[in-house]
Amino acid sequence: DVQLVESGGGLVKPEGSLRLSCEASGFTFRSYTMHWVRQAPGKGLEWVSSISSISTYIYYADAVKGRFTISRDNAKNSLFLQMNSLRAEDTALYYCARDIGYGGDSPLFDIWGQGTMVTVSS
Amino acid sequence: DIRMTQSPSSLSASVGDRVTITCRASQSISTYLNWYQQKPGKAPKLLIYAASNLQSGVPSRFSGSASGTDFTLTISSLQPEDFATYYCQQSYSKPVTFGQGTRLDIK
Repeated sequence: DVQLVESGGGLVKPEGSLRLSCEASGFTFRSYTMHWVRQAPGKGLEWVSSISSISTYIYYADAVKGRFTISRDNAKNSLFLQMNSLRAEDTALYYCARDIGYGGDSPLFDIWGQGTMVTVSS
Repeated sequence: DIRMTQSPSSLSASVGDRVTITCRASQSISTYLNWYQQKPGKAPKLLIYAASNLQSGVPSRFSGSASGTDFTLTISSLQPEDFATYYCQQSYSKPVTFGQGTRLDIK
């Protein structure tokens, strides 16, 4: 089965750090651009970051730029999100998602993990 | 950033009803518009891509269309499993942006 499984979420104090992981299985991970998308409690979806198949292209939402770092290890079929200087507004369920794309560089998310919850609170 | 505005924000309907949800982009995005369904406690599921293309495995009662910067998701005959929240997403330019969601409830 094609699957994404996130881990690493938890409760962290403001200004703290957390590293999220996403393990892929059932597909050729190294062939796909991958993304992180988050959802604050009771709110909508917000794109966070993306990384191309061999890490050539990396993008961040303005809200996390300079604080979050996306990376991947294709040998281990894993995606990561290092989150530093966390704020209360970063509290959300963080999903990793596979990008099958179309028409060139047009992100399209066909596979999502179940999410890992990050809570930033003192 | 391109702003995506969905209407209505919530909607009550009955099994068998025909339902239409609208998404408006703040600028032209051609047909780079995708629709997702999210049920409580679950990850989003891709329904339609490029405005009108049905994702594999999605029932044919779902359809999408485009007119300028306005996009519609139509469910021709609501089934019990269709009650969920629906999101549009533009993939025309970075950053990717989503609509605020439309919650579809049972009347």
